[in-house]
Amino acid sequence: GAVVSQHPSRVICKSGTSVKIECRSLDFQATTMFWYRQFPKQSLMLMATSNEGSKATYEQGVEKDKFLINHASLTLSTLTVTSAHPEDSSFYICSARSPSTSDDYEQYFGPGTRLTVT
Amino acid sequence: GQNIDQPTEMTATEGAIVQINCTYQTSGFNGLFWYQQHAGEAPTFLSYNVLDGLEEKGRFSSFLSRSKGYSYLLLKELQMKDSASYLCAPMDSNYQLIWGAGTKLIIKP
Repeated sequence: GAVVSQHPSRVICKSGTSVKIECRSLDFQATTMFWYRQFPKQSLMLMATSNEGSKATYEQGVEKDKFLINHASLTLSTLTVTSAHPEDSSFYICSARSPSTSDDYEQYFGPGTRLTVT
Repeated sequence: GQNIDQPTEMTATEGAIVQINCTYQTSGFNGLFWYQQHAGEAPTFLSYNVLDGLEEKGRFSSFLSRSKGYSYLLLKELQMKDSASYLCAPMDSNYQLIWGAGTKLIIKP
């Protein structure tokens, strides 16, 4: 149980375009979802936390108008990178958490999305 | 501030035992997670400690000392597939995971 999927797994886009990444909890209801970014050989960097039905809380230094997060249902959150630039190329990972699972605060990670902006 | 300290890289031999240490400082504490991350993949859950002591799960064990702000992950009977990064992630008072850069473990035949 506790499976999280992400789509797409890889995406290449042109500079200036927007890209949407979907994160789904497949077999549980995720009250909280997290979006991370990871550059090569660096730690996971939390971008934002979203709770179903409310606005996402962004970490300091993350532009909320550039990284749009929507958590419209208990099983789906989306991250849209708007007007992407080459420096946005990174590995984007979502995770989901639900107090109803056996390890209350465990985060279940999606497989990640490799974004390349040309 | 909040801080995680783990060795950057460790090397061990197939079949051996390795211990990865982690010291942390957080604003409040609600347990500590260990995750494994293979290159180019997302982290996968290994263990969660909230009380002091040793938790054993197959070849992997995790230890916690809250008073010392210290944890370790012990891997036994190392296999080549254990080559990965190991992330120590304590949870602060807001139930947020605090991530360090992790320890890259290299297993040699």
